[in-house]
Amino acid sequence: GENVEQHPSTLSVQEGDSAVIKCTYSDSASNYFPWYKQELGKRPQLIIDIRSNVGEKKDQRIAVTLNKTAKHFSLHITETQPEDSAVYFCAASGGQNFVFGPGTRLSVLP
Amino acid sequence: DGGITQSPKYLFRKEGQNVTLSCEQNLNHDAMYWYRQDPGQGLRLIYYSQIVNDFQKGDIAEGYSVSREKKESFPLTVTSAQKNPTAFYLCASSIVGGAYEQYFGPGTRLTVT
Repeated sequence: GENVEQHPSTLSVQEGDSAVIKCTYSDSASNYFPWYKQELGKRPQLIIDIRSNVGEKKDQRIAVTLNKTAKHFSLHITETQPEDSAVYFCAASGGQNFVFGPGTRLSVLP
Repeated sequence: DGGITQSPKYLFRKEGQNVTLSCEQNLNHDAMYWYRQDPGQGLRLIYYSQIVNDFQKGDIAEGYSVSREKKESFPLTVTSAQKNPTAFYLCASSIVGGAYEQYFGPGTRLTVT
C-alpha cells in the first residue's frame, strides 16, 4: 500500500521568511496530492492540492510542486505570517487509497 | 461549520463502556471516513465507506465498529475492546472515494477514564 513520509516534523521560521515542507510517497499510481492545515484543536482544512498531470500550482503565498519521477512533492509558503503557525499534513491518493503524512508543526516567530 | 458535523464536541466515558460518536453530512457525498488523532500525531484511518450499506476497515479498525444505513450518516462506536480509546476523532467526507478533497468535521474529543 501507499506510504507517505513528511519532513521536517517541526519547523521554525522568522516572520517574513519562507517555509518548505517535503513529502515522499511510494505508490506510483497515486495521482492526487493535497495539503491540509490544522490549527490547534481544529479540523484539518485543505489549503492547496495538485494532480499528477501538473508540476506546480500556486495560490497567493502558497505553492506546491510535484516531481512524479522522484515521487516527492513540496509545500512552499512565502512571506510567512504568525497565522501560518499550525500543523501541516500532506497526503497522497490514487484509486481507493488516501494516506496522510505524519505532519509538520510550523512555528512562525515574530 | 456547515456541511459536516460531529457531536458531541467533548465526550467522557468510564472504561468498559461502549460509546457512539455521531457524524452527519449534508454535502451529498458518497464517501465518508473516520480518523483517529493522538496528541502530536498524524491521522490514522479507522474505517471508511464509499456507499450506503458498505464499509471497509482502515489501518486501526480493531475495537471500533461503524454503520452506514443512510448516505448522510456514518456513526462510529468505540467498544470496550479498544485498548486505548482516549483520542481526538475526526470524521470526513468526499464526493466519491479516492482522489478527491476530504472535508472534515470539527472532531470529537473522547476521554475514557
